[in-house]
Amino acid sequence: EDQVTQSPEALRLQEGESSSLNCSYTVSGLRGLFWYRQDPGKGPEFLFTLYSAGEEKEKERLKATLTKKESFLHITAPKPEDSATYLCAVKESSGDKLTFGTGTRLAVRP
Amino acid sequence: NAGVMQNPRHLVRRRGQEARLRCSPMKGHSHVYWYRQLPEEGLKFMVYLQKENIIDESGMPKERFSAEFPKEGPSILRIQQVVRGDSAAYFCASSPPVRYEQYFGPGTRLTVT
Repeated sequence: EDQVTQSPEALRLQEGESSSLNCSYTVSGLRGLFWYRQDPGKGPEFLFTLYSAGEEKEKERLKATLTKKESFLHITAPKPEDSATYLCAVKESSGDKLTFGTGTRLAVRP
Repeated sequence: NAGVMQNPRHLVRRRGQEARLRCSPMKGHSHVYWYRQLPEEGLKFMVYLQKENIIDESGMPKERFSAEFPKEGPSILRIQQVVRGDSAAYFCASSPPVRYEQYFGPGTRLTVT
């Protein structure tokens, strides 16, 4: 069965303090790894798709990377508006559903 | 370009009543997925539909839950005889053909009293 584990569960950063979130996965044939952002009371907002080890994607202060066993979401010089829960999900080669981790709750203090 | 639309946003039902949740996918998207998010838990897949077809319902509880995506109109997730344990946020997502990323709606928050 597919498994996705995210760490840490919660992270508090000072504005401008860069850090990384981790997503470890076990899947029989990865078809894609996805990062989403979720604000309280809202639906997940799509950020990135990564397909193969070594791939990187960037968007503003966020950069996602992928290896054969894990993905990192690097946040450079975060701002308070980056505060949210960041979700990681995988899609395996034999299906269409996404399997989600439980997320990392990020709080960025001004 | 409207995103995925869900209604109602909030739904309160008493135990034993029926809940109907509606989802209109993004324009051009023919694939619809339903997920459930329980308090303090992650999103869990329920069902994947295309127009008039259920493709994968492996995450759907065997009893009381059903889903459809008719030729015309929104996708419907139906929960019969609701119980307190059904209280959760239900999210719909859609994707276009031949693309892997799914785009989520704002969710319906179901409260069973």
